[in-house]
Amino acid sequence: GENVEQHPSTLSVQEGDSAVIKCTYSDSASNYFPWYKQELGKRPQLIIDIRSNVGEKKDQRIAVTLNKTAKHFSLHITETQPEDSAVYFCAASNEVGGNQFYFGTGTSLTVIP
Amino acid sequence: EAGVVQSPRYKIIEKKQPVAFWCNPISGHNTLYWYLQNLGQGPELLIRYENEEAVDDSQLPKDRFSAERLKGVDSTLKIQPAELGDSAVYLCASSFTSGRGGNEQFFGPGTRLTVL
Repeated sequence: GENVEQHPSTLSVQEGDSAVIKCTYSDSASNYFPWYKQELGKRPQLIIDIRSNVGEKKDQRIAVTLNKTAKHFSLHITETQPEDSAVYFCAASNEVGGNQFYFGTGTSLTVIP
Repeated sequence: EAGVVQSPRYKIIEKKQPVAFWCNPISGHNTLYWYLQNLGQGPELLIRYENEEAVDDSQLPKDRFSAERLKGVDSTLKIQPAELGDSAVYLCASSFTSGRGGNEQFFGPGTRLTVL
């Protein structure tokens, strides 16, 4: 099956700086890669996703890049704000081969005001 | 559009007692997932349904856990008997699987189970 690894496990940045979280996956059949933000005591919320037919996607301060050859994808948050503090999870899925999602272990992001 | 609904939100029981969780997915979503999430970790799949069929239950501890999705909509996850190690958040999620993409997955608020 798929194996998703996520780094770092914790990340602290100053407000206004950028944050980068990286994930690798093992199954070349995976073709859908969502990112979730989970605030303490709340549900994981989808914040951005990317499919294997594109290399980069951006939504305001959030961007995701995908390198299919190297089997890794990254979340980039620019101009970080205190409200970005949360745990972020990456995931990988094969949209054609069944809809099972494999999650990374999470990154706890703290934005210091 | 209403999101994924779960109840109860919190449950405290003594070990060896039974417990049940309920989930109502987003309307039109044919795929339903039950996950277990321990503190500080990512969601771990317990079971995945496509309509009424359990297509992946390999991670479900079948000696004490059971699940059903009788009409392909709502689902119930049961633990009987509960053990101390079952304390966790149980998340339900749903998506629409077509085999052609667009399978964003949405989570419910979860049920936080505490076994004493």
